[in-house]
Amino acid sequence: QQQVKQSPQSLIVQKGGISIINCAYENTAFDYFPWYQQFPGKGPALLIAIRPDVSEKKEGRFTISFNKSAKQFSLHIMDSQPGDSATYFCAATPGRGAGGTSYGKLTFGQGTILTVHP
Amino acid sequence: EAQVTQNPRYLITVTGKKLTVTCSQNMNHEYMSWYRQDPGLGLRQIYYSMNVEVTDKGDVPEGYKVSRKEKRNFPLILESPSPNQTSLYFCASSLSQRARNEQFFGPGTRLTVL
Repeated sequence: QQQVKQSPQSLIVQKGGISIINCAYENTAFDYFPWYQQFPGKGPALLIAIRPDVSEKKEGRFTISFNKSAKQFSLHIMDSQPGDSATYFCAATPGRGAGGTSYGKLTFGQGTILTVHP
Repeated sequence: EAQVTQNPRYLITVTGKKLTVTCSQNMNHEYMSWYRQDPGLGLRQIYYSMNVEVTDKGDVPEGYKVSRKEKRNFPLILESPSPNQTSLYFCASSLSQRARNEQFFGPGTRLTVL
């Protein structure tokens, strides 16, 4: 059972274009939504994250949009660059209200392989 | 340099031959996890530890064991590896279990079981 569904599986974008990766979740106990970026041969690293009380968070060229009612969130990469080519994972984690061992547990999406052509 | 290290980075073994993948962090983190990464499935948690001597199963614990005798180390043990455990493994650590703590990942261990 995949609690966080991510699409597309792969994405090819031209340099300067906009990359959009979408995620959807079912568990209403999730209350923190990070995105991780993974370069080939490396471990994932935190890129940007959002809480559900805001609808958008922007850090440089990276923006998370969050739709709480639809239980969806997405990553937008503006002015995509070849150096952005990587695998991107969305994730979600329950808050303290979830209780027990679920609190703080990261559930990842399936990943999106982004290729930005020069 | 703050980091999570894993060894070995690459390992080819045969079915049934016990192996251990080591993980160490130098950030004094309480929370440590093991994940496996498979195409189309993302990262799935195998085991985690909230502190020394406190470990628990994640989503896919079958065929794996862990221990946490020291705060910095969290080895993953495959007592009788099988081909379906061929995967890319990551160790991660964070300050605590708290939901918004960033998880720091190691460089990964690519395991092939023949």
